[in-house]
This record gives sequence, structure tokens and C-alpha cells, in this order.
Amino acid sequence: EADIYQTPRYLVIGTGKKITLECSQTMGHDKMYWYQQDPGMELHLIHYSYGVNSTEKGDLSSESTVSRIRTEHFPLTLESARPSHTSQYLCASTEEWGHRAFFGQGTRLTVV
Amino acid sequence: AQRVTQPEKLLSVFKGAPVELKCNYSYSGSPELFWYVQYSRQRLQLLLRHISRESIKGFTADLNKGETSFHLKKPFAQEEDSAMYYCAPSWGKLQFGAGTQVVVTP
Repeated sequence: EADIYQTPRYLVIGTGKKITLECSQTMGHDKMYWYQQDPGMELHLIHYSYGVNSTEKGDLSSESTVSRIRTEHFPLTLESARPSHTSQYLCASTEEWGHRAFFGQGTRLTVV
Repeated sequence: AQRVTQPEKLLSVFKGAPVELKCNYSYSGSPELFWYVQYSRQRLQLLLRHISRESIKGFTADLNKGETSFHLKKPFAQEEDSAMYYCAPSWGKLQFGAGTQVVVTP
């Protein structure tokens, strides 16, 4: 079934650890996005991708990095997690700019 | 710079009352316009888009190009409408307003 998947759903990790949040979509979409969202709050775009080997930083500065080696896969990495990174991270994709977005279920990250 | 504003952080209405969520955007062009909804413990999903000119779950959205607004309306709110609503004009990359929490009380 065409969908967008995020793993893990929940992650509690210690300060200083390296983590990778996974996002995969099976819809063949070129455009993918990462948002940071605190519960019930605004979505902040932190990274987006035009397609394979193309990534850009979003409006909110983030210490995370992303890669896009395959169309379907857009992982987000934090080299050294800190408590300030505690948040929910949402992944999304669109077929084209200006098209409707499909969202993953999110990863709730807690850094202790 | 492109901006989207949802002035109400929280709207509390009684069941059966009308509800209107405001959205204003600033841009010289014509963005694609969407409303997304996030119900409790569910993923963010599309509610409606302007180009479709549709009514979903009783909601409609009126585009006013002169005022650059895209307000969301429903004449009779239901308890199941309690959720977080995001206005999302798309000028390319997808951007969202700050969101409006709607609480419908019986």
C-alpha cells in the first residue's frame, strides 16, 4: 500500500548519542520534507529535498542533517543529541511543489 | 517574504455553533491553498484544498484574493471536529501557519 513510514515512533536516548530517524515513502514522490513540531504547536520546516542527491535547509535552523540517496528514503541524523532536540519530527512528501502532502506518523524524540 | 498567519491559537465553540478559522497569507503570486487537520493521536492529513472547491466533513474554505485570506468555515460544529487545524499556502516548498486548536464542547 502506498504510504509514508517513519521509524521509530518513540525514542528516548541519552545526551551525546548519535541518532538517525528513518522516513520512507512508497509513492514515488520526488519532494520530501522534515518538520519539527512541539505538541499542539507550529510546524517548522527544517529540511527538504527536491529529489535524489538534492537537499536544502528549511526555515528553522537545525543541527540535524539529511541525505537523499534513494527516492524513497530521506533519513534525518543528529550526530550528538541534546535535550534541546526533544521534540516531534514529522516527515512528509509531495508529488510536486504545490501538491497535497502526505505525512508520516511522526517520531517523538526525548533526549535525557 | 512569504508569510502565513493564523491569528487564533485556540477556538472553543459549542456543539452546533458555527466555527470559522482565519488564515491570511502574504505573497504577490497565487499559491496553492490547503487546510490540514491533525486529530488526537492521528497523523496530519489533508482536509481540503482550494482548487478542488469541495466541502469535506461540512467544512468549506473561501479564498479572498483581495484580502489574501483563506478562512475555513463550518456552519454547525461537531464534537469530532475537535482537532488542530493548519493553513498551508504552498509557494513551492510546503509551509504551515502556527495552527488553531479547535475544541468543541457539548
